[in-house]
This record gives sequence, structure tokens and C-alpha cells, in this order.
Amino acid sequence: DAGVIQSPRHEVTEMGQEVTLRCKPISGHDYLFWYRQTMMRGLELLIYFNNNVPIDDSGMPEDRFSAKMPNASFSTLKIQPSEPRDSAVYFCASTDRGETEAFFGQGTRLTVV
Amino acid sequence: GENVEQHPSTLSVQEGDSAVIKCTYSDSASNYFPWYKQELGKGPQLIIDIRSNVGEKKDQRIAVTLNKTAKHFSLHITETQPEDSAVYFCAASPGGSYIPTFGRGTSLIVHP
Repeated sequence: DAGVIQSPRHEVTEMGQEVTLRCKPISGHDYLFWYRQTMMRGLELLIYFNNNVPIDDSGMPEDRFSAKMPNASFSTLKIQPSEPRDSAVYFCASTDRGETEAFFGQGTRLTVV
Repeated sequence: GENVEQHPSTLSVQEGDSAVIKCTYSDSASNYFPWYKQELGKGPQLIIDIRSNVGEKKDQRIAVTLNKTAKHFSLHITETQPEDSAVYFCAASPGGSYIPTFGRGTSLIVHP
């Protein structure tokens, strides 16, 4: 398996624009996590899915953030409208069950200007 | 919820020295403690993990210890090499939860 695949790797957008980040988890993994990494706050869990169903989205900072998982092989994190303070590296991770290794993608570096 | 504290935030050592990173957690129900290494421009990658029924685990130059009574666990790297330079994260998962809570990370710098 190629691992967790995220796209794009880098995204630069203007404030107010919509941004969509994409993730393909490892085949067979039932859990998918979206994290945001910043210098100030470290790795923050935004939302996680189990079998394509959102289980806990309490980490989503605002209503501007939304995430979907239409099928077992694809998830999106959308920010609309984007703001400069959303600039961060966003990671997607997947695992096949709890209390085991989480496999991370390479991340998407988002810059909102 | 779980809270994980990690220290130090930055650690600078000479090649060949040992490095120790310490973490504490708050939820006594946590029973899975992974450590991740993040190299520049990459996502975190698991390097070692320990479960609550084990006090210590080793893998070549890396070892992790767990003290459940005190709710702390540590990562030990011996004979450090420049390629060990990276950011290291500890995490804790409460039993029955599938959400690992991460520490803030330690930037390890190994000087040749």
C-alpha cells in the first residue's frame, strides 16, 4: 500500500476563498483522523471518522470547517471562508483499530494570505 | 479528557550522548502509549509503543519506560546520531478510546 495520501502538498490561497484538502486512507483502515499542526498548539485533533461516520468533531475550530467521508477511501476537509489564522499543516491519519499505530500522510501545508 | 504534557520542548545533544524525553498523562484509564518521530516535511511516524501491562520496552537504541502509578512515560535514545534529529511526540490513548492525545513535541538536535 502507498500509505495515506494527501493532496495537495502545498496550498496558498487568499483570505475568503474556499479550500479543500483531500485524503485517501490506507485500504482496510476503519478510522480516519484529521489533525492540524501549528507551532503554538502542536498537533490538534479536528475530527475523526469510524467506518465513514463522523464520531467526534469537537476539535473543529469553527463552523467554517467541515469534513466529509463519502466512502471508505476518501475524505475531505473544507474551510470556507479561509482566514490567515487557518495557516498550518493539516495531517490526515488512519488506523485499522483503536490503541494501535496511526499512519500519517505527508500533510498539506496551507498558507492563507 | 486526556491531557499529555511533554518536556523538554527542545533538546540539544552531542552525537553519541543519550537523550531522554518525558511525558505525563492525566487519565488513569490510558493504556496505550506510542511515540512518533517527525522528520522535516513529513508526517509523524511510529517508532515505538508501550502498553500498560509492560513497564519497559527496547528496540535497539530506543527504549520506553512506563510508570502507571505516577502516570508518566519516557523515551530514551542512546548513542544518538545526527539522523535522530527530528521532532518527537508522545501520545496516550485511554482504554476503549480510539483517539490518541499528543504531547506538544520535543525538537531533538544532535550535533555531529
